[in-house]
Amino acid sequence: DAGVTQSPTHLIKTRGQQVTLRCSPKSGHDTVSWYQQALGQGPQFIFQYYEEEERQRGNFPDRFSGHQFPNYSSELNVNALLLGDSALYLCASSPLLGQGMTQYFGPGTRLLVL
Amino acid sequence: DAKTTQPNSMESNEEEPVHLPCNHSTISGTDYIHWYRQLPSQGPEYVIHGLTSNVNNRMASLAIAEDRKSSTLILHRATLRDAAVYYCILHMNYGGSQGNLIFGKGTKLSVKP
Repeated sequence: DAGVTQSPTHLIKTRGQQVTLRCSPKSGHDTVSWYQQALGQGPQFIFQYYEEEERQRGNFPDRFSGHQFPNYSSELNVNALLLGDSALYLCASSPLLGQGMTQYFGPGTRLLVL
Repeated sequence: DAKTTQPNSMESNEEEPVHLPCNHSTISGTDYIHWYRQLPSQGPEYVIHGLTSNVNNRMASLAIAEDRKSSTLILHRATLRDAAVYYCILHMNYGGSQGNLIFGKGTKLSVKP
């Protein structure tokens, strides 16, 4: 049973560019959440997707957007990259309703903005 | 979600028990206490969670104070692979649906051979 997978593992971009990160949830999970983790900090919640819609959103600007596909996989898009967007981006999956409260995290995508 | 307070770092010797404390004085009646850990260069990993009663699983034990304002994660025999950042998180179950997790800075556990 494959866990949560993310691609790419590492990415280097320059300021102003756009980036797309991808996540495949654990088998049987229909909810995907994205987190940003700056160096030395705990992960910060960006948003959560269920049934192809954004259900919850943290305190992140509109430059951060996402998408969920019918197969429950998800993308995180960041436009107009800033140096401060350099971080580890984590995807977590979970079943939405009543089957447990555990979130399963992928290994993350490390983004460096130059 | 309510806030938690943890020590920044702790040290342990290999094969000895470790008690990681967490204070959550503003916890509400519907908040579950979750622990996750993050090994170097990996995503966070679920460890254990509980509501009121103490809990045990293959990884650890969770001891919850009677007033629920504090809890302790217990690793019964620390190994070098337990060296990680441990996060204590209060998570409200929104009528069965998954809310997001609010992480603090956690406790960095070092394990000495």
